[in-house]
Amino acid sequence: KAGVTQTPRYLIKTRGQQVTLSCSPISGHRSVSWYQQTPGQGLQFLFEYFSETQRNKGNFPGRFSGRQFSNSRSEMNVSTLELGDSALYLCASSVTGPNNEQFFGPGTRLTVL
Amino acid sequence: GEDVEQSLFLSVREGDSSVINCTYTDSSSTYLYWYKQEPGAGLQLLTYIFSNMDMKQDQRLTVLLNKKDKHLSLRIADTQTGDSAIYFCAEKPGGATNKLIFGTGTLLAVQP
Repeated sequence: KAGVTQTPRYLIKTRGQQVTLSCSPISGHRSVSWYQQTPGQGLQFLFEYFSETQRNKGNFPGRFSGRQFSNSRSEMNVSTLELGDSALYLCASSVTGPNNEQFFGPGTRLTVL
Repeated sequence: GEDVEQSLFLSVREGDSSVINCTYTDSSSTYLYWYKQEPGAGLQLLTYIFSNMDMKQDQRLTVLLNKKDKHLSLRIADTQTGDSAIYFCAEKPGGATNKLIFGTGTLLAVQP
């Protein structure tokens, strides 16, 4: 069974630009969550989608948005990029169930210059 | 409140046991997890424990949970150089959410 895939793996953008990151969950997984990982703030929850609906959102500005498609694939978008948005963006997928084990992709490394 | 804390660094010799500690604050947490992250990689789920359990053993890994003190630990027996990585504990709050709250991470360095 293929794992969670994220594209692209690496991305370099300049301040003010926007970026879209993609996540394909494990087949059969309907829940997708996104996290931002930085050396200073650690791993922080961005948002969670289930059946195309945003179920939960972290404490990030409105420049960060996401969506989920009917095939459970998810995208996140960051507009008007700032230097502080440089981070590893991780996507996790899970089935619905009591323990909700979440499986993470390798991440997208975003560098904002 | 939501806060998960871990010690930053642990150094052990190959073959010894490693114990990584974690404290959390949310008493409504349902599940607690341990993840491993190697350089340049995503997070690998190692094990998890339900909040009404005290202990869980999975091969070389033993998880201990003290719910009264909100303290979680991960013991790795016979630590190998391949275990060198950053280890994160995470809690899942109650309710209909898959949101995880992660600790700061503990860098485990295994000396040969």
